[in-house]
Amino acid sequence: AQSVAQPEDQVNVAEGNPLTVKCTYSVSGNPYLFWYVQYPNRGLQFLLKYITGDNLVKGSYGFEAEFNKSQTSFHLKKPSALVSDSALYFCAVRVQPGGGNKLTFGTGTQLKVEL
Amino acid sequence: GAGVSQSPSNKVTEKGKDVELRCDPISGHTALYWYRQSLGQGLEFLIYFQGNSAPDKSGLPSDRFSAERTGGSVSTLTIQRTQQEDSAVYLCASTDRFSSGATSNEQFFGPGTRLTVL
Repeated sequence: AQSVAQPEDQVNVAEGNPLTVKCTYSVSGNPYLFWYVQYPNRGLQFLLKYITGDNLVKGSYGFEAEFNKSQTSFHLKKPSALVSDSALYFCAVRVQPGGGNKLTFGTGTQLKVEL
Repeated sequence: GAGVSQSPSNKVTEKGKDVELRCDPISGHTALYWYRQSLGQGLEFLIYFQGNSAPDKSGLPSDRFSAERTGGSVSTLTIQRTQQEDSAVYLCASTDRFSSGATSNEQFFGPGTRLTVL
């Protein structure tokens, strides 16, 4: 079985400061890892994914994430937060091979960026 | 091009009634997924359609839930005899051809249908 943990329900950060949203995973195979963002009353928007190769993945809106196999983590980061980054962030995992491309999501982390 | 669309955007129903939720995937996408987003519980996988293959129904919470995908495009999620615990946002996603190789395609999500069962 595969699972994803987002240990923080909420992360608060001041605008201009770096942000980190944590994600750890558990799979019995090679993980494909994803980050999605959800703005109020909107569907999920894809941010970035890790499939293979370089452990540092760059995505939309200046976000990046680092795959750490030994720590089974895939934390989302951004060097300088913006108020407009305030949203709900979901980490997700899919196992390859198999898994049928269905994603297992974490419970989400609410990011609040304040002036 | 158009993204994934869902209708209705909001649905309020009485306990015991049946409801149908509709999803229009991105044109040409062969895979379609339904998820449920409950408050504080993240997203829960419900069902997955891939082309003409038998759907993966492993996430459906009870036999009151069913889904169809007609003509390989539009999908309808039906909940019979709704219960208050069915209240949630139901999200649909689609992706293009499933790859069993080294790549994995991201899923594109619709805006969801917020279901409230009174």
